[in-house]
Amino acid sequence: EADIYQTPRYLVIGTGKKITLECSQTMGHDKMYWYQQDPGMELHLIHYSYGVNSTEKGDLSSESTVSRIRTEHFPLTLESARPSHTSQYLCASSAPTGRHEKLFFGSGTQLSVL
Amino acid sequence: RKEVEQDPGPFNVPEGATVAFNCTYSNSASQSFFWYRQDCRKEPKLLMSVYSSGNEDGRFTAQLNRASQYISLLIRDSKLSDSATYLCVVNSLGGYNKLIFGAGTRLAVHP
Repeated sequence: EADIYQTPRYLVIGTGKKITLECSQTMGHDKMYWYQQDPGMELHLIHYSYGVNSTEKGDLSSESTVSRIRTEHFPLTLESARPSHTSQYLCASSAPTGRHEKLFFGSGTQLSVL
Repeated sequence: RKEVEQDPGPFNVPEGATVAFNCTYSNSASQSFFWYRQDCRKEPKLLMSVYSSGNEDGRFTAQLNRASQYISLLIRDSKLSDSATYLCVVNSLGGYNKLIFGAGTRLAVHP
């Protein structure tokens, strides 16, 4: 089993609130990612990090921000939540296995903004 | 056009059936290919990597056709526990480990 943890598992919150989704991994992986997934749809990369103090935006534009102050921690923040932010947010880290990178996913945070 | 396309299904099959999924990708420079499995409301988990020569893991066989730019997954002797969504994932070049996920094919195995 992967050692990558996300909290909270479910979050229901009102419009305008600031929220932070936590993601931690104990595998010492340098590369970490945030994906967004709507029901029945593909995962879209919204942020990634190659190591401490490295963060980049992914393919899907997102109003969220991330930080990477410690290797094991990659939180995602929404300054003012809106109903359009309702989605599942999946954190992942990766490590090389042979020729490939293997992704390890956290259990996800299901966010509902009312 | 999406970079990775899959038939969404669902594929409804009886236990013991053989089922095959296909996936096409648009970037001919793609280097790595994978199948992930995602259960309902759960995170994706790596099922198997796909190698150029094709590879097998128990009841699962993956194949790659670079000329036609498609990947396949064959599941033999389907079990109830195989019911899930199967995601085709392609690593495209882009300066980082850019994995492009397909929307997935849903499989439902019934008794």
